[in-house]
Amino acid sequence: EPEVTQTPSHQVTQMGQEVILRCVPISNHLYFYWYRQILGQKVEFLVSFYNNEISEKSEIFDDQFSVERPDGSNFTLKIRSTKLEDSAMYFCASSGVGDEQFFGPGTRLTVL
Amino acid sequence: KNEVEQSPQNLTAQEGEFITINCSYSVGISALHWLQQHPGGGIVSLFMLSSGKKKHGRLIATINIQEKHSSLHITASHPRDSAVYICAVRLWTSGSRLTFGEGTQLTVNP
Repeated sequence: EPEVTQTPSHQVTQMGQEVILRCVPISNHLYFYWYRQILGQKVEFLVSFYNNEISEKSEIFDDQFSVERPDGSNFTLKIRSTKLEDSAMYFCASSGVGDEQFFGPGTRLTVL
Repeated sequence: KNEVEQSPQNLTAQEGEFITINCSYSVGISALHWLQQHPGGGIVSLFMLSSGKKKHGRLIATINIQEKHSSLHITASHPRDSAVYICAVRLWTSGSRLTFGEGTQLTVNP
């Protein structure tokens, strides 16, 4: 069964460093999403992406964040200068025409 | 006020019990998802509903659009069902993004 994959599973970085989180969505899906979950809190929407552009973003998704689909298969989330409060689990999701979103296993980001 | 409210927050059951988790939402939606989050953190989609009822194995999900309420039922619960169950909705006003509830921590004891 096709699935969304994410790498790395765990990333540790120093405050102020740039990180890139990678996702490979399900191959025939057209809509891509990033969500995050701070430890002990609910999952929050960051951004959605369709047709090579951002279709919607939350107030969390500020200028420090960017997304890209560099090669037709990967979907990346970049955080330019990480802060302590960026420590969270980041989930990628994708959906096709049917709208059901399928989630990746997540990347746990720890900012020291 | 949260747009999506789940109850209970925590639920402990004995193996074999019938379990119900509830989700209420306060605004118009185009779809509702039930998700399962494993202890390791991964999220699995269980159901997407816009009306009526869906069944998959021992899991049943129902939605009442007029009452803005959905339930997830687990029949003949098993310790492997222990996880966090999350209700998430797609609001009419917010495109395809999902808005999540806080989740219900289910523990099924043998």
